[in-house]
Amino acid sequence: EAQVTQNPRYLITVTGKKLTVTCSQNMNHEYMSWYRQDPGLGLRQIYYSMNVEVTDKGDVPEGYKVSRKEKRNFPLILESPSPNQTSLYFCASSSQGLAEAFFGQGTRLTVV
Amino acid sequence: SQQGEEDPQALSIQEGENATMNCSYKTSINNLQWYRQNSGRGLVHLILIRSNEREKHSGRLRVTLDTSKKSSSLLITASRAADTASYFCELRGGSNYKLTFGKGTLLTVNP
Repeated sequence: EAQVTQNPRYLITVTGKKLTVTCSQNMNHEYMSWYRQDPGLGLRQIYYSMNVEVTDKGDVPEGYKVSRKEKRNFPLILESPSPNQTSLYFCASSSQGLAEAFFGQGTRLTVV
Repeated sequence: SQQGEEDPQALSIQEGENATMNCSYKTSINNLQWYRQNSGRGLVHLILIRSNEREKHSGRLRVTLDTSKKSSSLLITASRAADTASYFCELRGGSNYKLTFGKGTLLTVNP
């Protein structure tokens, strides 16, 4: 089954404690992207990747890092999380061109 | 970055009525896609319309595209309570492949 898998689904952590949210897709998609969703602000793009070892900033990259060492994986790293990074996070993937995007189930992160 | 702007921000209707939401954009596109998001869940693709198409249907969904006005509409006919969700448009065009979204339209269908 074609899918994008995010882990964990829920996470509560403390300020400053490094964390990684994993994202994996099984569709051999070139393109992957991370978003955060906050009430009233829609989906804001954090980082995206056009292919292995090719990443670029989205609209709200501050406080986040990503890597794309393999085509299937695109982890989101918060080196020193802060309470303003409390949000609902989504990973998505797509093949290039006209294709639809597939989304993960979401990760609800709370930083206290 | 190129992203669509959905309108209205919120829409509340009764079951059985039709729901129409719009997406406007500013630059040329290759295609436009509509997605649905149930509360707290990932977006799900609904329908794609290419820039050389004017109308497309899928079940109770009808999408139109007017490239001269740079706008698209999503019509959901005979709405059901299960259609309650947020709806987003997504644009692809030129060298832009950033896969960005607007704030969406929150549709509430009352039983």
